[in-house]
Amino acid sequence: SQTIHQWPATLVQPVGSPLSLECTVEGTSNPNLYWYRQAAGRGLQLLFYSVGIGQISSEVPQNLSASRPQDRQFILSSKKLLLSDSGFYLCAWSVGGGGYYGYTFGSGTRLTVV
Amino acid sequence: AQSVTQLGSHVSVSEGALVLLRCNYSSSVPPYLFWYVQYPNQGLQLLLKYTSAATLVKGINGFEAEFKKSETSFHLTKPSAHMSDAAEYFCAVVLPGGGADGLTFGKGTHLIIQP
Repeated sequence: SQTIHQWPATLVQPVGSPLSLECTVEGTSNPNLYWYRQAAGRGLQLLFYSVGIGQISSEVPQNLSASRPQDRQFILSSKKLLLSDSGFYLCAWSVGGGGYYGYTFGSGTRLTVV
Repeated sequence: AQSVTQLGSHVSVSEGALVLLRCNYSSSVPPYLFWYVQYPNQGLQLLLKYTSAATLVKGINGFEAEFKKSETSFHLTKPSAHMSDAAEYFCAVVLPGGGADGLTFGKGTHLIIQP
């Protein structure tokens, strides 16, 4: 069966420090991968999505970047964190196009920038 | 671009009462629609989805939703609320055939169950 792993579950980082969040998917090939951020009172915002290795689309200009070094690995990074980067980060995957088969979400990473 | 509006950031119902969470969408074509539930500090769990088959969709945990094109709505209901239903609920939309486009979410509704 397909599973999705995110780590770490929680992270407290100082302003100006780097960030690396990792997401891996098991049990499927060539998934579409997504990073969302959930900030208090703002719902879920799509940050990046990827349809294949090395292919990244950014939805919102920001202090973050994403990479997909392997088919089932998706990494969210920052060189210097801002206070406004705090939030709950969720990775998700889908297969095919147009969402027909749905989207599966990981358990999330709670990031607090201090 | 498509969008979703969830009416009511907080909804409170008594245990055993009807649950109704409202979702209206805006889309250039009939979209695919989803309801997700989120428990504190957890990821999103799919409750149900509409992908242009039957307009009344049944999901997990006794929830169902009806796609109404004329009203551009996809409201979530459950006949009898249970304490375990207390959570955050998100409605989301995506255009069919939109490639790898991600979901567009509403801001969420926090469901409170009164004993």
